[in-house]
Amino acid sequence: GESVGLHLPTLSVQEGDNSIINCAYSNSASDYFIWYKQESGKGPQFIIDIRSNMDKRQGQRVTVLLNKTVKHLSLQIAATQPGDSAVYFCAEPIIQGAQKLVFGQGTRLTINP
Amino acid sequence: NAGVTQTPKFRILKIGQSMTLQCAQDMNHNYMYWYRQDPGMGLKLIYYSVGAGITDKGEVPNGYNVSRSTTEDFPLRLELAAPSQTSVYFCASSYPFQGDTQYFGPGTRLTVL
Repeated sequence: GESVGLHLPTLSVQEGDNSIINCAYSNSASDYFIWYKQESGKGPQFIIDIRSNMDKRQGQRVTVLLNKTVKHLSLQIAATQPGDSAVYFCAEPIIQGAQKLVFGQGTRLTINP
Repeated sequence: NAGVTQTPKFRILKIGQSMTLQCAQDMNHNYMYWYRQDPGMGLKLIYYSVGAGITDKGEVPNGYNVSRSTTEDFPLRLELAAPSQTSVYFCASSYPFQGDTQYFGPGTRLTVL
C-alpha cells in the first residue's frame, strides 16, 4: 500500500540558517504531495504542494523538491525563524471515494537562537 | 469565517464512558474528515464523509461512530472509551476536488483513564 515516511524525527538548526526536511514515499504512481506544518497545540496547516509533473516548486521562503527517480521529496526553508519551529509532515492524498491524506511520521524542527 | 471549529478542547474520560466530539465548518465544504494523532506520530484517518448522509470508514474506525446530518457538522462518537483511544483528535474539511487543501481544526485532546 501507499506510505510516506520521514528520514529524521528531529532537526535542530540555527536561526537564519536554511533547513532541509526529507520525505520518502513508496508508490511510484504517486502524483501529488503536500507539506503541512503543525505548531504545538494546533492542527496541521498547509504549507506547499507539488505534483509529479514538477521537480521543484517555490513559495515564500519554502521550496519543495521532488525526485521521482528515488521517490524522495524535500522541504527547504530559507533563513529559518523562531516561528518556523514546528513538526513538519509530508502527506499524500489517496483517492478512494474521497481525497484521504496519508501522513508520514513528522519531523520536529527546532530553531536555536 | 471561523473555519473548522472543534469542541471540547480537552476531555478526560473514564474507561467505558461515552462522549461526542463536535466538529463544525462554515466554508460549505462537502468533504469532512476525522483523524487521530498519537504522540510523536502522524495523523491517521478514522472516518470521512463526502456529503450529508454519507460516511465511510478510514484506517482506524474501530471504537468510533460518525454521522453527517448537515453539511456543516460532523460529530465523532466514542461509545465505550478505552485507554487506547487516548489521543488528539483533529477534524478537517475540504472541497471535493483532488488537490484541494484540507483545513484542520485546532484539535481535541482526549485522555481515557
